[in-house]
Amino acid sequence: DGGITQSPKYLFRKEGQNVTLSCEQNLNHDAMYWYRQDPGQGLRLIYYSQIVNDFQKGDIAEGYSVSREKKESFPLTVTSAQKNPTAFYLCASSPRQGAGTEAFFGQGTRLTVV
Amino acid sequence: QKEVEQNSGPLSVPEGAIASLNCTYSDRGSQSFFWYRQYSGKSPELIMFIYSNGDKEDGRFTAQLNKASQYVSLLIRDSQPSDSATYLCAGSSGSARQLTFGSGTQLTVLP
Repeated sequence: DGGITQSPKYLFRKEGQNVTLSCEQNLNHDAMYWYRQDPGQGLRLIYYSQIVNDFQKGDIAEGYSVSREKKESFPLTVTSAQKNPTAFYLCASSPRQGAGTEAFFGQGTRLTVV
Repeated sequence: QKEVEQNSGPLSVPEGAIASLNCTYSDRGSQSFFWYRQYSGKSPELIMFIYSNGDKEDGRFTAQLNKASQYVSLLIRDSQPSDSATYLCAGSSGSARQLTFGSGTQLTVLP
């Protein structure tokens, strides 16, 4: 089955640690995105990538880093510089073709700082 | 700053009624608009998208777009308790078609 797989589903981080969230897609989509969602709020864009080896900062990139070494993979690292990382993280992908191109979401990773 | 705003909730409707969800956007460069449904603790799932002025119908759902007024809406006919969720409006713009989301409207359909 084609889709987007995020892992882990739940992640606990100690203060000062870097953690990496995995996102893999087998939809052959060009574009991939990372969003953050806080309780009762919409999604905010962290980073996005349109092509392998290229990515752009979104609205809230500070304290995060990404890589896009393969078309299928777009991991997100939450660094110790991110002061309030507890949130629901969502990865999405899109074929990036046409005006009506929707984004498909993975199941999300819930990150908690302990 | 691109902004997408949704009518404040929560919204409650009785089963069988029409639920009306509204959204306005500030970026005239937005090309397409999407309605996602999100159940508590789950990821968003796409309901509909629209990119031309007018109405678009899909089953019980109708999306409406008015680019002159920068207004998007979603109507849910014959609302069911299973429609109870948070509905997210998003606009797409930029070369990567990145989405800008509203904060969501929580809908409760009362049996």
